[in-house]
Amino acid sequence: DIQLTQSPSTLSASVGDRVTITCRASQSISGWLAWYQQKPGKAPKLLISKASSLESGVPSRFSGSGSGTEFTLTISSLQPDDFATYYCQQHNSYPWPFGQGTKVEIK
Amino acid sequence: DVHLVESGGGLVQPGGSLRLSCAASGFTFSVYSMNWVRQAPGKGLEWLSYISGASATIYYADSVQGRFTISRDNAKNSLYLQMNSLRAEDTAVYYCVRVDGGHWGQGTLVTVSS
Repeated sequence: DIQLTQSPSTLSASVGDRVTITCRASQSISGWLAWYQQKPGKAPKLLISKASSLESGVPSRFSGSGSGTEFTLTISSLQPDDFATYYCQQHNSYPWPFGQGTKVEIK
Repeated sequence: DVHLVESGGGLVQPGGSLRLSCAASGFTFSVYSMNWVRQAPGKGLEWLSYISGASATIYYADSVQGRFTISRDNAKNSLYLQMNSLRAEDTAVYYCVRVDGGHWGQGTLVTVSS
């Protein structure tokens, strides 16, 4: 089964910072990677699918890149609403693994 | 608007059973494959099970294989998860998720405890 490893597990940043989260797959998943944002007590929200395709309504400060086994989620200028936990997920085949999550905290 | 609403969660003793439901609206339910995903308290997301639109294809995570059964009733626009032989480690919020990942229910909490 494919394993996804996110780094870092926790990230402390300030409003306006550029933030990058990495997701590594244990084997190539081509471009089949999604990114989710989750806030406490809420369901995850899909931000990006197919590695770089921004979902409708998601601010353009979010971007995704990568293919094969290494992927990144970048927030170009962190906003107060962005403090949350982010998960990557392989969405091409089953099992449907998630990364362990990256918590973005206020510095 | 797409809506997914889970129900059926609650407190159950170890070894017990529970059936979760997910009511879907706002889209042609029978066309979409569906998933169940759970999240233990303070932990990450764990995919549990997948069912295709016509129920022809079903997958399970190893952690629930043989204990949980996914099903759907397209006439009722509903998805189900029958959970048997429940363990303390099954305590979690359970979400139904459309296959594109863009639509999640609000979740239903299952607590397995004596």
